[in-house]
Amino acid sequence: AQTVTQSQPEMSVQEAETVTLSCTYDTSENNYYLFWYKQPPSRQMILVIRQEAYKQQNATENRFSVNFQKAAKSFSLKISDSQLGDTAMYFCAFRSGGSNYKLTFGKGTLLTVNP
Amino acid sequence: GAGVSQSPRYKVTKRGQDVALRCDPISGHVSLYWYRQALGQGPEFLTYFNYEAQQDKSGLPNDRFSAERPEGSISTLTIQRTEQRDSAMYRCASSLAERDGYTFGSGTRLTVV
Repeated sequence: AQTVTQSQPEMSVQEAETVTLSCTYDTSENNYYLFWYKQPPSRQMILVIRQEAYKQQNATENRFSVNFQKAAKSFSLKISDSQLGDTAMYFCAFRSGGSNYKLTFGKGTLLTVNP
Repeated sequence: GAGVSQSPRYKVTKRGQDVALRCDPISGHVSLYWYRQALGQGPEFLTYFNYEAQQDKSGLPNDRFSAERPEGSISTLTIQRTEQRDSAMYRCASSLAERDGYTFGSGTRLTVV
């Protein structure tokens, strides 16, 4: 079974600075998908960014980018120019590339952006 | 609809009662997923459907939990004889196809007293 580990329960960053959230995962598969979801205080679950394992290029969405290291099974999220609205719980998630489409989530990292 | 709609948003029930949680996915979305999220944890998979067919129910914790999607649209997650350990946020998500990203609903917060 796949596992997803987020080793940082909490992090904080000053507004306008850059922060990196860590995620590692364990799988024997070669083709899969990785995601970062944001859960603000409203408790919504919002997709931040997605990476397909067969793509070598790191995904980028505006201020959000990932560092995908397939051999190391690492998938970190970098948030540039942090904003107060980035304060949220961030979850890393894994999905198999096969026929099972369920997501396996990590336990999350609570990010606080300070003014 | 514009988003995934779940009802009720909050449900408080007494131990031993049955509860039914409803999910109305985005119109046209083929795949529908149920997850449970305990406080301070990430969501855990319960079950998922393609159209009306339940494809995987391996995450349902025991036989008190069941789900259906009879017409391939709205889905209901039913918990029979609720217990305090069932208290959690229950989230529904849908996707246009199996391989697409999910859109999550706002969840139903279930409290069993």
